[in-house]
Amino acid sequence: SQQGEEDPQALSIQEGENATMNCSYKTSINNLQWYRQNSGRGLVHLILIRSNEREKHSGRLRVTLDTSKKSSSLLITASRAADTASYFCATDSGGYQKVTFGTGTKLQVIP
Amino acid sequence: GAVVSQHPSWVICKSGTSVKIECRSLDFQATTMFWYRQFPKQSLMLMATSNEGSKATYEQGVEKDKFLINHASLTLSTLTVTSAHPEDSSFYICSARPLSGGGTGANVLTFGAGSRLTVL
Repeated sequence: SQQGEEDPQALSIQEGENATMNCSYKTSINNLQWYRQNSGRGLVHLILIRSNEREKHSGRLRVTLDTSKKSSSLLITASRAADTASYFCATDSGGYQKVTFGTGTKLQVIP
Repeated sequence: GAVVSQHPSWVICKSGTSVKIECRSLDFQATTMFWYRQFPKQSLMLMATSNEGSKATYEQGVEKDKFLINHASLTLSTLTVTSAHPEDSSFYICSARPLSGGGTGANVLTFGAGSRLTVL
């Protein structure tokens, strides 16, 4: 079953603008990860944030985690056309450390 | 960096035939590999967790007799779709977790490029 739900489902912005995607989940987690997927391709890991962390940065990416609200956000600053892709949050849950994915946000960056 | 190779990248088969998809970790050992299925414009659904040397653990609703998983070595897991039907057409993606999973990298999966199955 899927753990997370993402919001918005689709987002269209102009190049140079910032893009924010939100992820909500239901149960306690060990960590939360964000992945990117270009159409019809495999997944690329972007960033991992642990349950005891509140914010993390990687290049133009900024991830926040609020375990009290069971939510996370991914901010992409100064977006580029090449950022056009689907973005998924994924949560670590269960004794086998399986990773389950959210519903995804489809981002379109218009040049 | 860690690389997971998935083969074939796409396959077309006739209804009733079986199709095998391979997932290999090329430069690391993985005791655990995961198989996901993705329908068009949808998210990834975990199908099963494959553990080296033992039976796979299937998610609820996934038919283990239809989706046979074998994890014979620390670098190879296979998914066989038996007696495939058009509704099995989908994008199948595998991922592998490194054997030495301590620290921050413990849960960072490496994903294959995916295999697109079309059953006619």
